[in-house]
Amino acid sequence: NAGVTQTPKFQVLKTGQSMTLQCAQDMNHNSMYWYRQDPGMGLRLIYYSASEGTTDKGEVPNGYNVSRLNKREFSLRLESAAPSQTSVYFCASSDSLGTILYNSPLHFGNGTRLTVT
Amino acid sequence: GNSVTQMEGPVTLSEEAFLTINCTYTATGYPSLFWYVQYPGEGLQLLLKATKADDKGSNKGFEATYRKETTSFHLEKGSVQVSDSAVYFCALSRPTGNQFYFGTGTSLTVIP
Repeated sequence: NAGVTQTPKFQVLKTGQSMTLQCAQDMNHNSMYWYRQDPGMGLRLIYYSASEGTTDKGEVPNGYNVSRLNKREFSLRLESAAPSQTSVYFCASSDSLGTILYNSPLHFGNGTRLTVT
Repeated sequence: GNSVTQMEGPVTLSEEAFLTINCTYTATGYPSLFWYVQYPGEGLQLLLKATKADDKGSNKGFEATYRKETTSFHLEKGSVQVSDSAVYFCALSRPTGNQFYFGTGTSLTVIP
């Protein structure tokens, strides 16, 4: 059982380049999330998708776009990378749906380490 | 608003010492509370959770009790091991909004 799979594991971009981070989960979860993790700042929510077909902004959405391709897959796109987007990106999923199962925990992937030069 | 505050690290302990990592929260309604652990180079893993006041979550010798009167969810372990060295995150989720709120993490190093 793979859980949450993220690709790639590492990436180096030049300023202005674009890329898409891929995430897939095999747990039939309703909700999916993208976080970034920076030293001293914990995890900050970029975007989330409460259910297939919906996406919402989190705390730090600027410079990112997302697509909930189907129930399994949730991708994060950087259209024009900036050095401030150097970070570790985590995808997560949860069985929560609105007010149902809201105490279901998050399941995380192993992260994508992105450096923008 | 909703937020989680954890004690700042890093924390360094000797093996078999007692561990406490403090966590307090601010939230409307009745959140669920979680502790996650992150080992180097990995994603976060659920360590334990509590879903209502006075609940105690426990796993692998770690415990935390949901205290609504003090809005706290402190993590404790009676005797830490070198293998417990990791970063620990306190988090909450609310009944609406599908969002989780994390503390900034506390790094723990256990030395033999």
